[in-house]
Amino acid sequence: DIVLTQSPTTMAASPGEKVTLTCRASSSVSYMNWYQQKPGASPKLWIYGTSKLASGVPNRFSGSGSGTSYSLIISSMETEDIATYYCQQCCSTPRTFGGGTKLELK
Amino acid sequence: EVQLVESGGGLVQPGRSLKLSCAASGFTFSDYYMAWVRQAPTKGLEWVASISYDGGSTYYRDSVKGRFTISRDNAKSSLYLQMDSLRSEDTATYYCTTVSWELGDYFDYWGQGVMVTVSS
Repeated sequence: DIVLTQSPTTMAASPGEKVTLTCRASSSVSYMNWYQQKPGASPKLWIYGTSKLASGVPNRFSGSGSGTSYSLIISSMETEDIATYYCQQCCSTPRTFGGGTKLELK
Repeated sequence: EVQLVESGGGLVQPGRSLKLSCAASGFTFSDYYMAWVRQAPTKGLEWVASISYDGGSTYYRDSVKGRFTISRDNAKSSLYLQMDSLRSEDTATYYCTTVSWELGDYFDYWGQGVMVTVSS
């Protein structure tokens, strides 16, 4: 199985701050997806195909990466971005998720 | 509007069975692969099983293979997960999801989830 390791596990950011979340894969993957989950809610698709924003996702979010290293970037942190973000690899069975990064407000 | 509504969860003893259902609406159900993804309490997400458009192909994670069966009824726009020989480690919220493809596959729509607790 491909193991996805997210870092940091938890981070705090101030409004307006640039945020970078990282996801590293134990083997090369073709694309990476990201999901946002707020407390008590279901996960939502956030970024797919490494860099494509899901419908309704603000353009302050972006995704990048290749091979074994991928990132989700928030250009300017906002209060509504407080959530846990999970990466997920698209193409090897079983599909696997990272352990998540909990993003908090500083 | 896409809606996925899971049902059938609850408290069950180890070794017993439970069947989850997911009622889909707002899209052409037969046009989508479907999947179940679970989340143990305070833990991360874990893919459980997927099924092709017509149910002809199914895929499972190793830990549930032989115990869980995913199925669908396109006439009823419904997805199912039959869970047998349940274990404590199957305790989780189970989400019904659609699966789409563009630059790899991804879980694009999620239900609200249904809780399954396996305990004596």
